[in-house]
Amino acid sequence: DIVMTQSPLSLPVTPGEPASISCRSSQSLLHSNGYKYLDWYMQKPGQSPQLLIYLGSTRASGVPDRFSGSGSGTNFTLKISRVEVEDVGVYYCMQALQTPLTFGPGTKVDIK
Amino acid sequence: QVQMVESGGGVVQPGRSLRLSCAASGFTFSKYALHWVRQAPGKGLEWVAVMSYDGNSKNYADSVKGRFTISRDNSKNTLYLQMNSLRAEDTAVYYCARDGSRVVPAAIGCDYWGQGTLVTVSS
Repeated sequence: DIVMTQSPLSLPVTPGEPASISCRSSQSLLHSNGYKYLDWYMQKPGQSPQLLIYLGSTRASGVPDRFSGSGSGTNFTLKISRVEVEDVGVYYCMQALQTPLTFGPGTKVDIK
Repeated sequence: QVQMVESGGGVVQPGRSLRLSCAASGFTFSKYALHWVRQAPGKGLEWVAVMSYDGNSKNYADSVKGRFTISRDNSKNTLYLQMNSLRAEDTAVYYCARDGSRVVPAAIGCDYWGQGTLVTVSS
């Protein structure tokens, strides 16, 4: 199984400042078709998860452009250009390359 | 708009069975792969199972393989999860989620999620 790790696990942020979360996979998520099968999800307190980024860098519908994803085969990054109060929650990366699909442990983002 | 509504959760004794349902609306149900994902209290997300758009392909997490069965009825726009031989460690909120693709893996992610249904396995 592909093991996903994230850092940091806790990220206090200041509104208006940038933030960055790292995700690493134990195997390359680069498919032979050229796509990187890495998703980012955000789960706000008391809510269901929501898709932010898929294929490593494509924003899902309705996701603000302050969120961006990037990365290589095993190292990925989610960046928030200017954090807003509504961005508080837990962020998960998930590999979608092969089953079993696996999530990272989550990064809790809260306001300083 | 897209809606996914889970039901069937509750309190069940270890070793017993439970069937979850997920009623979907607002999209062409038969064109999308569907997942079950769970979250134990205070813990992270754990992928459970996925079924392709036509029901011909299904995959499971090792932790539930042989005990859980995913199925779908495209005529009723409903996804199911039959859970047998339940264990305390199966206690979680169970979410159904639509994948943006027809088949999984090598897919584009869970773009719509239900609100979840809580399953508690306890004697």
